[in-house]
Amino acid sequence: AAGVIQSPRHLIKEKRETATLKCYPIPRHDTVYWYQQGPGQDPQFLISFYEKMQSDKGSIPDRFSAQQFSDYHSELNMSSLELGDSALYFCASSQHGQGGGEQYFGPGTRLTVT
Amino acid sequence: AQSVTQLGSHVSVSEGALVLLRCNYSSSVPPYLFWYVQYPNQGLQLLLKYTSAATLVKGINGFEAEFKKSETSFHLTKPSAHMSDAAEYFCAVSDQYAAGNKLTFGGGTRVLVKP
Repeated sequence: AAGVIQSPRHLIKEKRETATLKCYPIPRHDTVYWYQQGPGQDPQFLISFYEKMQSDKGSIPDRFSAQQFSDYHSELNMSSLELGDSALYFCASSQHGQGGGEQYFGPGTRLTVT
Repeated sequence: AQSVTQLGSHVSVSEGALVLLRCNYSSSVPPYLFWYVQYPNQGLQLLLKYTSAATLVKGINGFEAEFKKSETSFHLTKPSAHMSDAAEYFCAVSDQYAAGNKLTFGGGTRVLVKP
């Protein structure tokens, strides 16, 4: 079965640079979520989109922005990168209205800021 | 607001022994509850979920969890641990009525299985 695809899998950037992470949800899934997992920490919700509109917002820094496109893929744009942004970034997808609200996670993008 | 507390950041069990991972939640609205497993350098895989149907939920790999509203708990169990169960386990909660259904995770419990 098709899963959530994230690219790139690994990314190394320097401080103050920008990064773009991409997420391709499972086919027919219309909702996308972004989570950040720091070293040894639990995943923290950043932002979500349903039908290309932002549906919820968590602890996402103002330096970050995201959007969902007409084909339902999503991009997380990160600017003025800081050392503390080094983390594993997960994208998850779900089908709105599906009983249970279960989310399917991608393999993550490991971002290292040097 | 919702929150999850997982008791014990590390659990060590012998192969073949019972696995018990504790999760307590706080939610002002009826919750959905989930257990996810994460293997090293991998994403999160859904083990099981509670969605207000049966209180005893069976999942993959022989795991099950019981929702106890009176105790606000959703503990995960497996009768007999296998070496492949060594991983980190996250309990998560979401709001049944929220449009976004964002997940709030507990701190995770790392399971070590001894031969």
